Amino acid sequence: ETGVTQSPTHLIKTRGQQVTLRCSSQSGHNTVSWYQQALGQGPQFIFQYYREEENGRGNFPPRFSGLQFPNYSSELNVNALELDDSALYLCASSLVGTVNTEAFFGQGTRLTVV
Amino acid sequence: ILNVEQSPQSLHVQEGDSTNFTCSFPSSNFYALHWYRWETAKSPEALFVMTLNGDEKKKGRISATLNTKEGYSYLYIKGSQPEDSATYLCAFGMIPGSARQLTFGSGTQLTVLP
Repeated sequence: ETGVTQSPTHLIKTRGQQVTLRCSSQSGHNTVSWYQQALGQGPQFIFQYYREEENGRGNFPPRFSGLQFPNYSSELNVNALELDDSALYLCASSLVGTVNTEAFFGQGTRLTVV
Repeated sequence: ILNVEQSPQSLHVQEGDSTNFTCSFPSSNFYALHWYRWETAKSPEALFVMTLNGDEKKKGRISATLNTKEGYSYLYIKGSQPEDSATYLCAFGMIPGSARQLTFGSGTQLTVLP
């Protein structure tokens, strides 16, 4: 396994609620990226954090936000949940934030919005 | 919007067969091409990170080639085994700038029948 852990593994929320997903990066990695994988699609980039600062963002609305902590663990927060937010959320840690660096993924959190 | 396409979408082969699949990506602003293997209920596992046109990489029975000028990469599996059954994802990385994300294809789902 990769050494990247995510919690919880599964979650059911009601439309309009807020959710926090957590990721513990591989030791020594200072960069974390979050991805959303909807059914039948590849993972889509949400954002990246490097040394506690947002370092790039994909095409997701502001109700998707994140935090990275001094120990490089991170959170993904989603406000005002919509049915379309139902997906697998993956975090990936890497040593640096460039795209030529291998990324190590967690197993994901399966979010269902009802 | 970047388009990364993988074909075929799914593939069934017999144990011992060799197989290959394709990843197509934009040929402009290329920086890196990643291949991941994703087994059910596990984390995506990095196979290769390729950056140079003409690059060929090998890990055991799995190898990959890269053509950045025409925008494609092939993944080959020699003598497929049931444990090779997984979804194989490719991901394209652009020249660093504001874009730090990997753009993923939808994957090729491989089933190796004993």
